[in-house]
Amino acid sequence: ETGVTQTPRHLVMGMTNKKSLKCEQHLGHNAMYWYKQSAKKPLELMFVYSLEERVENNSVPSRFSPECPNSSHLFLHLHTLQPEDSALYLCASSQDRQGTGELFFGEGSRLTVL
Amino acid sequence: GQNIDQPTEMTATEGAIVQINCTYQTSGFNGLFWYQQHAGEAPTFLSYNVLDGLEEKGRFSSFLSRSKGYSYLLLKELQMKDSASYLCAHTDKLIFGTGTRLQVFP
Repeated sequence: ETGVTQTPRHLVMGMTNKKSLKCEQHLGHNAMYWYKQSAKKPLELMFVYSLEERVENNSVPSRFSPECPNSSHLFLHLHTLQPEDSALYLCASSQDRQGTGELFFGEGSRLTVL
Repeated sequence: GQNIDQPTEMTATEGAIVQINCTYQTSGFNGLFWYQQHAGEAPTFLSYNVLDGLEEKGRFSSFLSRSKGYSYLLLKELQMKDSASYLCAHTDKLIFGTGTRLQVFP
């Protein structure tokens, strides 16, 4: 496998469920990101990890909890979500967090909260 | 602030040239990315500008003016497969614009 892989591709959950999104990158990158993409809104940066350390948390509600166990894997744990959290969640990686390297995106996980 | 503005939608015909503009606020600026995103797919990298001027890459070119906080993506010899959303992104804060949805008609 190459690139950035996200699972599951589609997820439907109730507001009381707990689920997790998984991202894996095989590019040897040191930085990983979670973005939220909603219809007619810009990509919203949620979390940034650099060398497995969280370096940015953009005022994301605590019902979203990221985890980066190693430089190749990133999780987004979901708990008691709201219907407005329904969106496409994109994972990305880059060589480092300097901002000069391109982002490589996964295909995304389409989340629907009922 | 770090707002990025770009038009919501554009249309063009096959074989034509289209220019997609992007304006941004300049605080903490490192560079500007352009990405292409087809419906239902991941964004893919098109270009990166950090210096003023035009960067050409085949049918696609990107221009940057740092003093004006302005960039554009120029697409030449449009093809039907170029129908997609085009996102400009500020590299420092990794902030994206809303994207410009381009539709190419025969």
